[in-house]
This record gives sequence, C-alpha cells and structure tokens, in this order.
Amino acid sequence: DAKTTQPTSMDCAEGRAANLPCNHSTISGNEYVYWYRQIHSQGPQYIIHGLKNNETNEMASLIITEDRKSSTLILPHATLRDTAVYYCIVRPTGNQFYFGTGTSLTVIP
Amino acid sequence: NAGVMQNPRHLVRRRGQEARLRCSPMKGHSHVYWYRQLPEEGLKFMVYLQKENIIDESGMPKERFSAEFPKEGPSILRIQQVVRGDSAAYFCASSPRGDTPTGKLFFGSGTQLSVL
Repeated sequence: DAKTTQPTSMDCAEGRAANLPCNHSTISGNEYVYWYRQIHSQGPQYIIHGLKNNETNEMASLIITEDRKSSTLILPHATLRDTAVYYCIVRPTGNQFYFGTGTSLTVIP
Repeated sequence: NAGVMQNPRHLVRRRGQEARLRCSPMKGHSHVYWYRQLPEEGLKFMVYLQKENIIDESGMPKERFSAEFPKEGPSILRIQQVVRGDSAAYFCASSPRGDTPTGKLFFGSGTQLSVL
C-alpha cells in the first residue's frame, strides 16, 4: 500500500502559495513521486510527477529533497477551485498506484 | 480526444441484484484500472486489466466481484448479489502503458452505486 505520510488537512489563503508536504522516507531509487488531486465527487486528476529533480508544469511545482525522503507540492497562487484532496503517491516500476488518504486542502477567500 | 468515459453516472440497485459498471478508456489506451471509494475514505485499488487479460486483481473481493476488458468494447466491472456495503463510487482509469514508471493514469468521472 501507500508508503507516504501527509497531513490530514491544510488551509491556504486565496492568492497565496499552497505548500503541501509529503514524507516518503522508505522510497527506493527507482520509485517516482506522483501527485494527484480529487475535487469533490470527481475522478482524480494528475498534477505532476518526478524522480530526483524538481519539476514544474502549468499546474504546480514539485520540490524533492536531495535524499528523496520527502517532497513538497507547490501551488503558486491558490484559487478557490484548488480546494481538493491531494494525494502523494510513490510508485515503483510496474506497480499500481496506491492512494492513501491524502491532504484535504481548503482555499479560504 | 474524449477522456475516460464511465456509465452510468449513477446506478441504483436493490439488495441481491446485479450491478454492471462500464468504462471506455481513452483512445489508444490499452490498460484499465478500477478503484473503489467508500464514503469519506480514500481510493482503493481493485483490479488492473489489459485487453483480454487480468494483470492484477489483488484488490478485488474474493466473491461476487469480477472484471473484464474484452478485445472489443468497454471494460466491465460486475458485482453480483449486491449488498448495502457495496454502495460506493467506482472509478475507472486508463493509461497507454501500465509498466512504465512514468505512466500516468487518466480517470473517469466515476459511477456512484447506491444499494437500497
């Protein structure tokens, strides 16, 4: 099952950066870190993934520590539509995506 | 390019009836995954299929549940003799390849099953 630890919930003011942490202290060298989010009653949506280097796309940035034992998802300018449950997943080659309970992010006006 | 299509969106069944949930993957995707989400819980992996093959069914309950992904047509998740505890949201996801570490999953909108 999921080998990650995330806070249960977080709040963020609208327009500010949302920083969502994830611990994955037992990660192996070939395991990628993925982030998905699930807006209420919808299917999960892919956000970003990475192996070692920091990654950025149109949705977010992913910062992975040098030892790879933790990572942070950054939403640079949170909006109300970013309110969702965010899942951090560590996935080895060929294995399934196992979702934990994630972090419930609430963006406050 | 249509996304992953699931139908029906909502399904109501009485105890003891059968439920059939359908999933059409994205065009060009040959790998399908089914997940179940109970109220106020996270997504639980159920089964992973390629065309005509079940690759991993480690998350499937041992009885009453089955899944298929035929050569032609959608993937079907079948639940026989439904019970109230089967009430949940069932999500399907597809990917072009299942074994690459960078393979992303694309999810459908889910089927909400309610058992009366």
